[in-house]
Amino acid sequence: EDQVTQSPEALRLQEGESSSLNCSYTVSGLRGLFWYRQDPGKGPEFLFTLYSAGEEKEKERLKATLTKKESFLHITAPKPEDSATYLCAVQPISSGSARQLTFGSGTQLTVLP
Amino acid sequence: NAGVMQNPRHLVRRRGQEARLRCSPMKGHSHVYWYRQLPEEGLKFMVYLQKENIIDESGMPKERFSAEFPKEGPSILRIQQVVRGDSAAYFCASSPTGPGDGYTFGSGTRLTVV
Repeated sequence: EDQVTQSPEALRLQEGESSSLNCSYTVSGLRGLFWYRQDPGKGPEFLFTLYSAGEEKEKERLKATLTKKESFLHITAPKPEDSATYLCAVQPISSGSARQLTFGSGTQLTVLP
Repeated sequence: NAGVMQNPRHLVRRRGQEARLRCSPMKGHSHVYWYRQLPEEGLKFMVYLQKENIIDESGMPKERFSAEFPKEGPSILRIQQVVRGDSAAYFCASSPTGPGDGYTFGSGTRLTVV
């Protein structure tokens, strides 16, 4: 069974304190790995897709990396507006015609001013 | 360009009633996905639809739940005879070209069954 585990569950940082969020996954074959950001009361907002080990993508203070077993979301010099829940999801090769995503439970990030 | 629109934002139903959740995809998007987020759990896939077709409903409970995406109008997720365990946030996502990366989610409907 495909599984996605995110750690830590919650993370509090001071503004400017860089850190990383972890997403470990178990799939029979990976079509893609996705990162989303979710604010309270809102739907997930797409950040990145990674397709192969060694791939990296960046957007402002965020950088996502991928290995064969896990992905990291690095946050450099975070600001309070980066506070949100960050969701990781995998799209297994076995996901059929829907190519549905299997989500982790998320990491709730709080950045203190 | 409006995003994915879901309504109502909040819905309260008594046990045994029916719940109808509506989703209007982004303009030009003809592929719709429904996901459910239970408290303290991750998002779970329910169903994938194109106009007038259910493509994959492998994540949908076999009883009481149904979905449609008619030729005209929004996609509807219908839950009959709701139970307390149906309380969750239901999210709709749409994409223009079918399964692929980064589809756009709506803000969700929060269903509470009392």
